[in-house]
Amino acid sequence: GAVVSQHPSWVICKSGTSVKIECRSLDFQATTMFWYRQFPKQSLMLMATSNEGSKATYEQGVEKDKFLINHASLTLSTLTVTSAHPEDSSFYICSATQAVAKNIQYFGAGTRLSVL
Amino acid sequence: AQKVTQAQTEISVVEKEDVTLDCVYETRDTTYYLFWYKQPPSGELVFLIRRNSFDEQNEISGRYSWNFQKSTSSFNFTITASQVVDSAVYFCALSERNYGGSQGNLIFGKGTKLSVKP
Repeated sequence: GAVVSQHPSWVICKSGTSVKIECRSLDFQATTMFWYRQFPKQSLMLMATSNEGSKATYEQGVEKDKFLINHASLTLSTLTVTSAHPEDSSFYICSATQAVAKNIQYFGAGTRLSVL
Repeated sequence: AQKVTQAQTEISVVEKEDVTLDCVYETRDTTYYLFWYKQPPSGELVFLIRRNSFDEQNEISGRYSWNFQKSTSSFNFTITASQVVDSAVYFCALSERNYGGSQGNLIFGKGTKLSVKP
């Protein structure tokens, strides 16, 4: 149980285009979903926290207009990187928690974004 | 301020050796949770264990064991008889009780890369 699916696993895009990453909880309802960014050989940096039906809470320094987060249902959250630039290239990981064990985060497999 | 320190950046062992990954944390809260996650080369973080601040009992799960000591603010992870499949980056994380919401955010250490050679 507690499986989180993230799609796509790898995406290459041109500078200036937008990319959407999906995060789904497959066998549970996710009360909260998190989006992280991970640079090579570094730890995870929390970008934002989202609860279903409400606006995401962004961490300091994360541009809301650049990284659009939508949490439309209890099983789906999306991260859209708008007008992507090469410096946005990174590994993006989502996680989700369920009501039963609220502070255990289950992670997706991550999305590697390369912006040319 | 909350902080998680994993002083060992990389560890290399030979298969069947025991290895301990260190984790030291800082928090002002009296109620908090500690976690260990494994990140294999594929990238997905795998949940290993959660421990709350009121439970100092050590835990063993197969070849894995965890030693939680509040007196030294440490939550160390030992792999016994390591195997090549244990090769991964291991993250220790801290979550404080979130008074206003459903849970606290995870604060991750920088991770320890474990390489187990045959």
